[in-house]
Amino acid sequence: GAGVSQSPRYKVAKRGQDVALRCDPISGHVSLFWYQQALGQGPEFLTYFQNEAQLDKSGLPSDRFFAERPEGSVSTLKIQRTQQEDSAVYLCASRLGTSGSTDTQYFGPGTRLTVL
Amino acid sequence: DQQVKQNSPSLSVQEGRISILNCDYTNSMFDYFLWYKKYPAEGPTFLISISSIKDKNEDGRFTVFLNKSAKHLSLHIVPSQPGDSAVYFCAAGGKGGGNKLTFGTGTQLKVEL
Repeated sequence: GAGVSQSPRYKVAKRGQDVALRCDPISGHVSLFWYQQALGQGPEFLTYFQNEAQLDKSGLPSDRFFAERPEGSVSTLKIQRTQQEDSAVYLCASRLGTSGSTDTQYFGPGTRLTVL
Repeated sequence: DQQVKQNSPSLSVQEGRISILNCDYTNSMFDYFLWYKKYPAEGPTFLISISSIKDKNEDGRFTVFLNKSAKHLSLHIVPSQPGDSAVYFCAAGGKGGGNKLTFGTGTQLKVEL
């Protein structure tokens, strides 16, 4: 498929466990975003990559959250020592270029994380 | 502080009639706006966008209107179809942060037969 894919689609973790969420963007897309969507809310920005460079991580809620995109393609969002408040859908989006006003962000289906 | 607001959590419209979804924003630095549609268990799907230099953009049954002085935009769907039933998110982007998007909380549209 040509769209953004994310894995796993669903993840259940016990409080305190570490989790890793994967995003495969559309091939050739330079920009990659992670968003967090809590129940009943809109997606909220977490972090932004341009190729392999993490240019904005202002939305990461704590130092337990870490994201990487080492080769400028696949990205991983890691959450250490998960807490119940981390339960949410984590959405990945990619964009062809670097200009938001001319390019569209395309979203993956998300990973639903439930922390027990 | 919610910079993008969708004050109607839900909207019900009859098939064939017009659906109007509203969105307000507070940050005057936003320079483009988008509408996304979301079905359950799927990611948001892009619908239509508008630059801040325009006041209207049309794509088939979907039209977005922007009123910059009022910091208000709306999405019109004419005619509404049952397949339009979904959650609609308004989003805004600016020049910072890689043009990250700020989303509203969504409006659940139900188009009834």
